[in-house]
This record gives sequence, C-alpha cells and structure tokens, in this order.
Amino acid sequence: DAGVTQSPTHLIKTRGQHVTLRCSPISGHKSVSWYQQVLGQGPQFIFQYYEKEERGRGNFPDRFSARQFPNYSSELNVNALLLGDSALYLCASSLLGERGYTFGSGTRLTVV
Amino acid sequence: QQPVQSPQAVILREGEDAVINCSSSKALYSVHWYRQKHGEAPVFLMILLKGGEQKGHEKISASFNEKKQQSSLYLTASQLSYSGTYFCGTPPSNTGKLIFGQGTTLQVKP
Repeated sequence: DAGVTQSPTHLIKTRGQHVTLRCSPISGHKSVSWYQQVLGQGPQFIFQYYEKEERGRGNFPDRFSARQFPNYSSELNVNALLLGDSALYLCASSLLGERGYTFGSGTRLTVV
Repeated sequence: QQPVQSPQAVILREGEDAVINCSSSKALYSVHWYRQKHGEAPVFLMILLKGGEQKGHEKISASFNEKKQQSSLYLTASQLSYSGTYFCGTPPSNTGKLIFGQGTTLQVKP
C-alpha cells in the first residue's frame, strides 16, 4: 500500500509569491494534518482536517490556508511568501489520532 | 506548552542502552514518540495513552507517568539503525494536534 504522498518534493519560490503543496493520505485515512519543520526543530502544527472540516489550526498567520477534498487529499496554500517560510512541510494522516500519525516525506520549500 | 526533552543529544556504542525523557508543564492525555532520520520523515514508534501503556517497536519501550506529566523512551541494546532524532509529541486537551518537543539526537557508533 502507498504511504502518505506529498508533492512536489522540492520547491524554490521568490518572496511574495504563492505556493500550493499537495498531500494524499493513506487509503482509508480521513484525517490529514500539516506541520512545518524548520531545521533543527520539531514539527510545528499548522492545520488538521477531518472529513473535510477544519478541526484545528496552529499559530500561523492567515497567509496559510488549507482544504481537504472529498477523496481526503489535501492542499496547503501559502500566500505572500516570506524568507522565514523556508522549511520542510510535512503532511500526516491517521485513521484515528490515537493510533499515531503516518508522515509523508515532506516538501522542502526554499524562499529566496 | 512545548514539552521539554532531555538529553538534547546522546552518543552510544552499539549494544548500550539509552533513556530519553519528555516532560510537560500541562496535563498529558497521551504521548506520541517518533524517530526521524536525517532527510527523512518522522516515523511513528508508539503512543502511550492515559491509564495505559502501549509498547510498539523492536527493543524500544516507553513509560508514561501521568502524575509527573512525563514520559520516558527506553532503547535497549542499541543498534546502528537506532540513530536519528527522537521527538515526543503531546496533544493538548485530547485534540488531534500534536505539540512536539525540540528533539533528542541519538548517535549509535559501532
């Protein structure tokens, strides 16, 4: 079975641009979460979606938005990119939160 | 609100044991443990639930002390493959979101 897949794997954008990151969860998983990981730190929670509804939002500005589609895949959008948005963006899916999360390999975003 | 992990880094020889601690100033509903190798995604190791303990992986086990609001991860007879950064993650108020600690880097040498 395929794990959590994210695309693209790497991305270079210029300050002020917009970016869309995509995630396909494990088949049957209805919960998708997004995390930002800066080098040397633990992942930071951005959003969680379950059954297409937002269930949680972390301390990120409104430039960050996300949505979940009927097939449970998800997109993370970031507008007006800043240099500080450079990070590894991880998507995680779960059947139930109590069973742990399976992370995708992430999208490495570099803002120049 | 971020859990605090200790130590920050550990260097072991193959076969040695290690303990990684995770403490929180808030009540813990559950504790997740993940291992992340350089350039890879975090991999789920196990989850410890309030009122119970779940061992989930190889020679790695963990404990959860609700009163002390802390969890410990035990790695016995370490192998080279255990090298990586270990993160604990805790969900506030029994939500689906995880707040991760800063990580503990473990290096196992031959």
